[in-house]
Amino acid sequence: GENVEQHPSTLSVQEGDSAVIKCTYSDSASNYFPWYKQELGKGPQLIIDIRSNVGEKKDQRIAVTLNKTAKHFSLHITETQPEDSAVYFCAASRDYQLIWGAGTKLIIKP
Amino acid sequence: NAGVTQTPKFRVLKTGQSMTLLCAQDMNHEYMYWYRQDPGMGLRLIHYSVGEGTTAKGEVPDGYNVSRLKKQNFLLGLESAAPSQTSVYFCASSGTGANTEAFFGQGTRLTVV
Repeated sequence: GENVEQHPSTLSVQEGDSAVIKCTYSDSASNYFPWYKQELGKGPQLIIDIRSNVGEKKDQRIAVTLNKTAKHFSLHITETQPEDSAVYFCAASRDYQLIWGAGTKLIIKP
Repeated sequence: NAGVTQTPKFRVLKTGQSMTLLCAQDMNHEYMYWYRQDPGMGLRLIHYSVGEGTTAKGEVPDGYNVSRLKKQNFLLGLESAAPSQTSVYFCASSGTGANTEAFFGQGTRLTVV
């Protein structure tokens, strides 16, 4: 079955700098790769997603890249702000069953 | 606009007790899911439903049962709680078709002592 690995588990960056979180997946049939943000005490919320027929997608300060050959995808956050502090999860799916990474705690230092 | 609502938010159970977690969504979504979240392990799917009256097992279904008698509700039951079921439980729903955005509830923190 699908397995998703996410790195790093914790990432600390200076406010204004960029943050990059990476995920790898095992099932070459996976075709949907969402990223969710989870704030303390809340459920995860979708921030951006990408499908296997696209290599890159951008939404303001957030971008996701997908390398199907290498089976990895990454989340890029530019000009980080205090409100970006949260836990970020990647996931992979080929149907309606998402397989999740273990999460990355992003800390923005003032 | 409530979205996905979970009841209760917190619960402490003794080993062997039973309980039901309720999930309600008001977005007319076909798909509903129950996940558990444990530290360092991300989200793991317990059971899911692709429509009213249907249920299916996910990654970690043992010790849990579910029912979807109404489209808007998805119930998760623990018949005989064990300490290993201490976790945060999340319900989610998504629209018809694969690979659409999942909307999550606020979570239920369950402790089994």
